[in-house]
Amino acid sequence: RKEVEQDPGPFNVPEGATVAFNCTYSNSASQSFFWYRQDCRKEPKLLMSVYSSGNEDGRFTAQLNRASQYISLLIRDSKLSDSATYLCVVNLDTGRRALTFGSGTRLQVQP
Amino acid sequence: NAGVTQTPKFRILKIGQSMTLQCTQDMNHNYMYWYRQDPGMGLKLIYYSVGAGITDKGEVPNGYNVSRSTTEDFPLRLELAAPSQTSVYFCASRRTSGSPSYNEQFFGPGTRLTVL
Repeated sequence: RKEVEQDPGPFNVPEGATVAFNCTYSNSASQSFFWYRQDCRKEPKLLMSVYSSGNEDGRFTAQLNRASQYISLLIRDSKLSDSATYLCVVNLDTGRRALTFGSGTRLQVQP
Repeated sequence: NAGVTQTPKFRILKIGQSMTLQCTQDMNHNYMYWYRQDPGMGLKLIYYSVGAGITDKGEVPNGYNVSRSTTEDFPLRLELAAPSQTSVYFCASRRTSGSPSYNEQFFGPGTRLTVL
């Protein structure tokens, strides 16, 4: 079983739609959770951290369910510029603070 | 600040050749990392460093070596290149502590390596 699992997609949605991605992680001792965005052939960039209480940043809402070991990302009012791959990322190793990445979910927002 | 810079951007190697991928950060971060990303896959950790003079292996270290003589630089060395090392290589850095967002890693633009 992969440490971090995501649906690869692609998710094809029209502009203005609401879309949600889920991610599951296998290690219950995981401590930190993130969503990174990666544009085609570019480096990953932090979209948002995910907190137990849930958090929102504009059109983006992230939720964490520790009991079920899953993380979600909700994007409201999708824009063409939201087209990218969204990486679910977990900090599994407190010693080296390295990140474990899911394979990503591809989103294509269409006009 | 330039952030994290990597050179070269692209490289084609023949089987058995060697090369060094350069990574430099100007944010005075202690933690630095090397990842590789194969097509359609997530990033896998190759090596990491928690400070100058200290390095350790990640998930996929075979075929690679690193050094960390300064805080700024963290080069990755490929010895005897193999086709399985065809990938995109990302260098990243992170603060040691500080604000709640200290876990954020900052990535360089990547090096695209093809081994033929």
